[in-house]
Amino acid sequence: DAGVIQSPRHEVTEMGQEVTLRCKPISGHDYLFWYRQTMMRGLELLIYFNNNVPIDDSGMPEDRFSAKMPNASFSTLKIQPSEPRDSAVYFCASRLGFSTDTQYFGPGTRLTVL
Amino acid sequence: KQEVTQIPAALSVPEGENLVLNCSFTDSAIYNLQWFRQDPGKGLTSLLLIQSSQREQTSGRLNASLDKSSGRSTLYIAASQPGDSATYLCAVNKGNTPLVFGKGTRLSVIA
Repeated sequence: DAGVIQSPRHEVTEMGQEVTLRCKPISGHDYLFWYRQTMMRGLELLIYFNNNVPIDDSGMPEDRFSAKMPNASFSTLKIQPSEPRDSAVYFCASRLGFSTDTQYFGPGTRLTVL
Repeated sequence: KQEVTQIPAALSVPEGENLVLNCSFTDSAIYNLQWFRQDPGKGLTSLLLIQSSQREQTSGRLNASLDKSSGRSTLYIAASQPGDSATYLCAVNKGNTPLVFGKGTRLSVIA
């Protein structure tokens, strides 16, 4: 398996623009997580899905953020409009259940909002 | 709300030294504890997973211990090498809840 795939790897955009980050989880995994990592706040959980259904989006900072999972092999995180304080590395992760299996992370998308 | 703390935030050691990284968590009713490694510009890679019924796990030069009652875990790295330089993150989860991460310890092993 190719692991968790994220695109793009780097995104530079101007304030006010729409940004869409994409994730393909590991095949067969039923949980998908979106995280944001900054130096100040560390790794923060934004939202997670189980079997394509959003379970907890309490970590989504504002209404400008939205996430979808239309099928088991694809998810998007959208920021509209983007702001400079959204600059961070965004990670997608997937896992099989909440039992003893580990969580697998993608390489991340480094977002810079000018 | 579960909080995970890692001390120190950064650590620099000479090659060959044995070292210990610390992790503490506020809610001892955890299900799993995991240690991850993150290289600069990369995602997180799982190193060791300890279930709540276990006290330790070992993988090569790495040994992780868990003391649930005191809310502590340690990651022991034997005979450190420059290739061990990375950020190490500790994470816990409780039942069917997502992992809660510490901010990590940035380790530099100097040749």
